[in-house]
Amino acid sequence: DTEVTQTPKHLVMGMTNKKSLKCEQHMGHRAMYWYKQKAKKPPELMFVYSYEKLSINESVPSRFSPECPNSSLLNLHLHALQPEDSALYLCASSQGFGAYEQYFGPGTRLTVT
Amino acid sequence: GENVEQHPSTLSVQEGDSAVIKCTYSDSASNYFPWYKQELGKRPQLIIDIRSNVGEKKDQRIAVTLNKTAKHFSLHITETQPEDSAVYFCAASTPNTGNQFYFGTGTSLTVIP
Repeated sequence: DTEVTQTPKHLVMGMTNKKSLKCEQHMGHRAMYWYKQKAKKPPELMFVYSYEKLSINESVPSRFSPECPNSSLLNLHLHALQPEDSALYLCASSQGFGAYEQYFGPGTRLTVT
Repeated sequence: GENVEQHPSTLSVQEGDSAVIKCTYSDSASNYFPWYKQELGKRPQLIIDIRSNVGEKKDQRIAVTLNKTAKHFSLHITETQPEDSAVYFCAASTPNTGNQFYFGTGTSLTVIP
């Protein structure tokens, strides 16, 4: 299985809501990533989980918080988002945190109203 | 950190012609250079990659060349087809920052039938 899955596909939430995005991979990969992608722009790295350690892009607001329940799952908890957070959220995984191909999931299209 | 520049931002070619997209990078320690294709509304997918110990790699109609001295790498697509129309992102990965991917700004390729 060479696939990364993400749920939900689409999400509309208000600025006071709390929601979670889910990502799963069954390739035995040891690194997982969350990216944010705006239209016609490249993916921007938000978080990396590698060998059970979290690395954070320090520019990511605290209203985004990642959680890694096990080596196959990566969640992104959302709270008190702003309209400018509307974007495509992509999860990816790779063999390790190094010079390896990253496999992307299909993404969650998030709209904050 | 690493800085990746990508040109052109848009490219239109006639079906059957070749397309070339160029990227430059700043960190001489970068050692892995993937190219991703992203069709509208879909996930980025790896189409070819190259490591710093190799100068050229080819896979059917797609090739990538790397010039470490000049710090640039290029994607070449020959005999283009309408299904090659997409946005293409180059990336560079450097061990100096844990091998995270630094993406170029993307090239929107249109193949005219």
